[in-house]
Amino acid sequence: DSGVTQTPKHLITATGQRVTLRCSPRSGDLSVYWYQQSLDQGLQFLIQYYNGEERAKGNILERFSAQQFPDLHSELNLSSLELGDSALYFCASSEGDPTEAFFGQGTRLTVV
Amino acid sequence: QQPVQSPQAVILREGEDAVINCSSSKALYSVHWYRQKHGEAPVFLMILLKGGEQKGHDKISASFNEKKQQSSLYLTASQLSYSGTYFCGTGVSGSARQLTFGSGTQLTVLP
Repeated sequence: DSGVTQTPKHLITATGQRVTLRCSPRSGDLSVYWYQQSLDQGLQFLIQYYNGEERAKGNILERFSAQQFPDLHSELNLSSLELGDSALYFCASSEGDPTEAFFGQGTRLTVV
Repeated sequence: QQPVQSPQAVILREGEDAVINCSSSKALYSVHWYRQKHGEAPVFLMILLKGGEQKGHDKISASFNEKKQQSSLYLTASQLSYSGTYFCGTGVSGSARQLTFGSGTQLTVLP
């Protein structure tokens, strides 16, 4: 158990819908990272937050957004979902960067 | 740009050694190694920073050649538990936080 909690574990939704993925980092970790893992794209960095502020941005679509709240949990919002958004979404946390990052178990999103 | 990992897959017998390479076309600041078992989350192995020394723990070690912009992961006397997909994540100078992961090396250790 990495100490990073992601909910839900599985999510099935229809195209055009909007979903929210939630991540609770390890106690004391200020950095939260979001990654998308799909068969054809591999593990892709989406975005990082540090203590509530956006710190780095990767290949995140405009339809996607994230935020980190004062209690340090983070949410990834995915809207206008397309079939190609089906993937495993991981959240990871770390004390700082670049340091060891701990991954949650992921949320498997299936868009039908 | 995504770092290139080689080989893409390797099959070993228990006790054999393996080397996984990770090369980047950009100047690297850091290299992070992770192992992911099927259906599970990636697990951190080690991080190598520019100017740092070779790292290692137990029978897994790694090196970082800054001039060649590449890193190698060494698995010695492999165990069944080493099976999984190994990813290198590279942080380039100026954006070390934004890791770009390679496509992975699938390692299978047979009894």
